[in-house]
Amino acid sequence: DIQMTQSPSSLSASVGDRVTITCRASQDISNSLAWYQQKPGKAPKLLLYTASTLESGVPPRFSGSGSGTDFTLTISSLQPEDFATYYCQQYYSTPPRTFGQGTKVE
Amino acid sequence: QVHLQQWGAGLLKPSETLSLSCAVSGGFLNGNYWSWIRQTPGKALEWIGECNHAGSAYYNPSLKSRVTISVDTSKSQFSLQLSSLTAADSAVYYCARGLGAFFDWGHGTLVIVSS
Repeated sequence: DIQMTQSPSSLSASVGDRVTITCRASQDISNSLAWYQQKPGKAPKLLLYTASTLESGVPPRFSGSGSGTDFTLTISSLQPEDFATYYCQQYYSTPPRTFGQGTKVE
Repeated sequence: QVHLQQWGAGLLKPSETLSLSCAVSGGFLNGNYWSWIRQTPGKALEWIGECNHAGSAYYNPSLKSRVTISVDTSKSQFSLQLSSLTAADSAVYYCARGLGAFFDWGHGTLVIVSS
């Protein structure tokens, strides 16, 4: 299985801050990476796919970059509604599709 | 916008079989892949498996011996069965749409396995 490792596991930030979350794959996954946002009691919500393509309706303050094994999710200016947990997920190799362990932004 | 409505029993005993269903509205089963994903109390997300409208299914090797995912095109729904439950199967179970990334998700069903 391809292992996905996110860092940090949690971070403390303030409204207006630029936030960066990294995700590393245990092997080359090209750009087959998605990012999700999850709020308590809710299902994850897709933010980006193919590493950098913004899902429809997602604010442009969210951006993604990277290919191969190293990826980044950036929130350019943190808003109150962005406090949540973020997950990366690879879909290069299936089965199985695998997720990172999550990064909590608080 | 595809809407996924899921349902099924939430409290089960060890060795029993979990059965969940997910109804699809606002879209077609054809041309999509339909997955089940679970999230443990520690918050880790685990992909269980997926199927398409033709019934081709792929499973997580860690669960493959206990999992069946099937689709009923006449009812626009797909289902999960997970047998030989243990406490380790306690989690929130989600249905989802996507081949690769998961674009739409159900609301989740909390499943507790306890004697």
